Amino acid sequence: SQTIHQWPATLVQPVGSPLSLECTVEGTSNPNLYWYRQAAGRGLQLLFYSVGIGQISSEVPQNLSASRPQDRQFILSSKKLLLSDSGFYLCAWAGLAGGEQFFGPGTRLTVL
Amino acid sequence: ILNVEQSPQSLHVQEGDSTNFTCSFPSSNFYALHWYRWETAKSPEALFVMTLNGDEKKKGRISATLNTKEGYSYLYIKGSQPEDSATYLCAFIPPQGGKLIFGQGTELSVKP
Repeated sequence: SQTIHQWPATLVQPVGSPLSLECTVEGTSNPNLYWYRQAAGRGLQLLFYSVGIGQISSEVPQNLSASRPQDRQFILSSKKLLLSDSGFYLCAWAGLAGGEQFFGPGTRLTVL
Repeated sequence: ILNVEQSPQSLHVQEGDSTNFTCSFPSSNFYALHWYRWETAKSPEALFVMTLNGDEKKKGRISATLNTKEGYSYLYIKGSQPEDSATYLCAFIPPQGGKLIFGQGTELSVKP
């Protein structure tokens, strides 16, 4: 069966510090991978998605970036965090473009 | 800009009540619509993937309908139970790619 992992579960970082959140999927090949953020009081916002290794589509201009160094690994990064980057970050995978998505446990990021 | 609207934002019902909420989406360029349930401290889980106009899907006491011509989907819960308490998200998928555009969600609270 397929599983999706995210870490860390929670993170408190000072403004201006770097960020690296990791997501890995097991039990499937060539998944579509997604990063979402839920800011306080808002819905889920798609940040990045990837249909293959090295292929990243960015949905929202911001100081975040994403990389997919391996088929089942998706990394969300920032060189310098802003206060507005605080939120709950979810990684998800899907077997088909537009198909049902399966979400990881999420990372709660607080930027102080 | 593709907009997905959900109403109401929140709903408080008594155990045993039946309830429904709405997801509105662009009626042109439709590919699919998803419904997800997001319980507190858990990850969103897919309820339904709907693709055809007139689709009606059911899972236990929960059902959903889809009208792609007028751009709306209804989610119904019959005989609400406290364990139905969650945020219900709909997500619109345009044909251009695999990205999902989420609504803000309807937060349902069922009191025993």
